[in-house]
Amino acid sequence: NAGVTQTPKFQVLKTGQSMTLQCAQDMNHEYMSWYRQDPGMGLRLIHYSVGAGITDQGEVPNGYNVSRSTTEDFPLRLLSAAPSQTSVYFCASSRTLGQLNGYEQYFGPGTRLTVT
Amino acid sequence: KNEVEQSPQNLTAQEGEFITINCSYSVGISALHWLQQHPGGGIVSLFMLSSGKKKHGRLIATINIQEKHSSLHITASHPRDSAVYICAVPGGGADGLTFGKGTHLIIQP
Repeated sequence: NAGVTQTPKFQVLKTGQSMTLQCAQDMNHEYMSWYRQDPGMGLRLIHYSVGAGITDQGEVPNGYNVSRSTTEDFPLRLLSAAPSQTSVYFCASSRTLGQLNGYEQYFGPGTRLTVT
Repeated sequence: KNEVEQSPQNLTAQEGEFITINCSYSVGISALHWLQQHPGGGIVSLFMLSSGKKKHGRLIATINIQEKHSSLHITASHPRDSAVYICAVPGGGADGLTFGKGTHLIIQP
């Protein structure tokens, strides 16, 4: 059971380049999400998915696209990278513990992205 | 949107000291999460609690739903407890979370 995996761990892009950050989970969780973490700020939600074929925007979605063709995979695409997208990106999946008990989140190891 | 405030932002203590990290939020919630982020960057869920108190080893988390406040305590602190501790509450769609900025804890030997 690998949990939540992310690739790559590090990436340097030039402004205007595109790339896809990969995220996969093997826990059969319906809910997956992408966050970015910037110095001096808490993690912020970019996009999320409540199941295969269903995605929605979070707090900071501009410049990012997502898709969810399978339960396991939730890639994040940067269409035209900008220096403002320099950040650490975390993918997470969650397991619901019932309506009254909330849910438990599992995080991937993160991808450190630098856009020059 | 739920606003999450943590205090202190930074805390340096000696090994063995009792540590308290506080979290307050603005909108009523069903459950609150405490997370730990080690210097290597990985994030681990420590607790999810909706009422009262939970204990895992030397870590204790409490929540007061009426006062919209939670605390994370570490007893007999150790240098390996050095990490960033993050409080998070539901928000941002479905199972999404809204996070505090974190408390950077350093335990010196």
